[in-house]
Amino acid sequence: SQTIHQWPATLVQPVGSPLSLECTVEGTSNPNLYWYRQAAGRGLQLLFYSVGIGQISSEVPQNLSASRPQDRQFILSSKKLLLSDSGFYLCAWGDRGHEQFFGPGTRLTVL
Amino acid sequence: EDKVVQSPLSLVVHEGDTVTLNCSYEVTNFRSLLWYKQEKKAPTFLFMLTSSGIEKKSGRLSSILDKKELFSILNITATQTGDSAVYLCAVESRSNYQLIWGAGTKLIIKP
Repeated sequence: SQTIHQWPATLVQPVGSPLSLECTVEGTSNPNLYWYRQAAGRGLQLLFYSVGIGQISSEVPQNLSASRPQDRQFILSSKKLLLSDSGFYLCAWGDRGHEQFFGPGTRLTVL
Repeated sequence: EDKVVQSPLSLVVHEGDTVTLNCSYEVTNFRSLLWYKQEKKAPTFLFMLTSSGIEKKSGRLSSILDKKELFSILNITATQTGDSAVYLCAVESRSNYQLIWGAGTKLIIKP
């Protein structure tokens, strides 16, 4: 069966510091991968999606970037965090035309 | 612009009540509508609806889609405290297979 891992679970970072969140998927190959951000009490905002290694589409211009160095690894990064980057970050995988499955999420607080 | 609107934003009922959650959408090239339940962490998949008028059912939860009026409802009968969660609706577009998310309905079941 497929599983999706995210780490860390919780992160507190100072403004201006770098960020790296990692997501890995097991039990499937060539999945579509997604990074979402969820602000408190809000819906999910799609940040990036990837249909294959090295293929990244950005939905929202901002100071975040994503990379997919391996088929089942998806990384969300920032060189300098802003206060507005605080939120709950969710990684998901899915096949085109089917539901998406979510990782446990990372709660990021930028102080 | 594509959008998904959920109502109500929050709802408090007593255990045993029946609730109906609404999701309306304006999405170009509709493909499917999905319902998710989010407790403390990652959303978990409930239903995917693609055809009008066909009810999907899982225990005390059921959902139906109206593609003419562009909405879906999620019903929960005989609610229990474990049903307390945020219920998210998302619509998939055939244009790019991305999910457009509603803001969610926060449901609280009081014992």
